[in-house]
This record gives sequence, structure tokens and C-alpha cells, in this order.
Amino acid sequence: DSGVTQTPKHLITATGQRVTLRCSPRSGDLSVYWYQQSLDQGLQFLIQYYNGEERAKGNILERFSAQQFPDLHSELNLSSLELGDSALYFCASSARGGAGELFFGEGSRLTVL
Amino acid sequence: DQQVKQNSPSLSVQEGRISILNCDYTNSMFDYFLWYKKYPAEGPTFLISISSIKDKNEDGRFTVFLNKSAKHLSLHIVPSQPGDSAVYFCAASPGRGGSEKLVFGKGTKLTVNP
Repeated sequence: DSGVTQTPKHLITATGQRVTLRCSPRSGDLSVYWYQQSLDQGLQFLIQYYNGEERAKGNILERFSAQQFPDLHSELNLSSLELGDSALYFCASSARGGAGELFFGEGSRLTVL
Repeated sequence: DQQVKQNSPSLSVQEGRISILNCDYTNSMFDYFLWYKKYPAEGPTFLISISSIKDKNEDGRFTVFLNKSAKHLSLHIVPSQPGDSAVYFCAASPGRGGSEKLVFGKGTKLTVNP
């Protein structure tokens, strides 16, 4: 158990819809990262938050947005969903802004029909 | 354009033998490299890392080698055990000793046969 909690574990929705994925980092970790793993792809970095502020941005689509709340949990919002958004979405946390290895949650599997 | 490449999607070895997983990268700005292991239905877990100032890092049965001139790193597992069967991801970061903007390879599925 990494200590990172992601909900929901599975989600099935239709094209055009909007979903929210939630992540609770390890206790005390200030940084939260979101990654997307599509079929046969590596993990693609989406976005990082540190103590409530956006710290780094990767290949995140404009239809996607994220935030980190004062209690340090984070949400990833995916809107106007397309078939190609079907993927595993991982949240990870680390103790400091950019140092040390990441601790990953079990992922949220999104299926867009 | 893939900046981190794991050219072998799968590898099968016998228990007790050495497993060698390879990774190539193209971005010379990367200076911190990590290996993660992933079991089905679980998130990736950190295995071992190496800074660009080193060419080798060892942790028990796991050793990572870095060849900067060739932009190549490898993970050696000796001896391999059935519990090592998992997908192994190579990752690289331009952050010093950090995990900012990690770039992952597609992974290599290792199967260790009893």
C-alpha cells in the first residue's frame, strides 16, 4: 500500500460527458502528480501541484483541468470526453517539490463509450 | 517523439538467472533516472534510481548501470525470482535528484519462470 488513494477505481461514461477523478496523497506529501496511461503507452505526465499551486505542466489537454485543495487532496477534471480519453489515470505524490521518488496510487480506469 | 525508449516489450528468463532490462533516452538534459515496477491492478512502485554523476547504483539484487555517452541505462536483476515478474518502467527527469516531469518508457514485461 503506497498510501496514495484514488477514487473511483473504475468509471464508465459516454462521449461528451465530464468526470472528476480524486486523489488523496500520502500523509504529509505536498506534491501531487497526475499521469495518463493509454493502451500500450508509457505513463504520460499531465500536471503537478505543490502545496496547492500548479508546479509543472505536461501534455495536458485544454479539456482537462486539475486542482489541489488546502487539505492537499487533488482532483482531475476531464470534460467533453472522447473515446481516446479512455485510459488509466494515476495520481502520485512525493514529499518535496521535486525530490525523491513518486508514490503512485492504484489508478482510476476510465472507459469512454 | 519518444524521449525514453524501452525497445523490448517483453522478456522471459529462468529463475536464478540474470534479467537485463534496457532503456535508451534521447534528451541530453535528463540527469536523473529511475526504474519502477508495476504489478497488475497496482500502481507503479519505485525500485531504484541513479543520478547522471554516477555510472552504477546497486541495491540488493538490483543494479542500474548508466552509460551517458550512449544515452543508455540498464537494470540487472540477479538472481531473478518468480516474484520479480512484473512490468518494468524506465523513467527520466531533467530535475536534479528529483521527479519533476518524469518521462516514462512504455515498459518491459518481465516473466521469471520457475
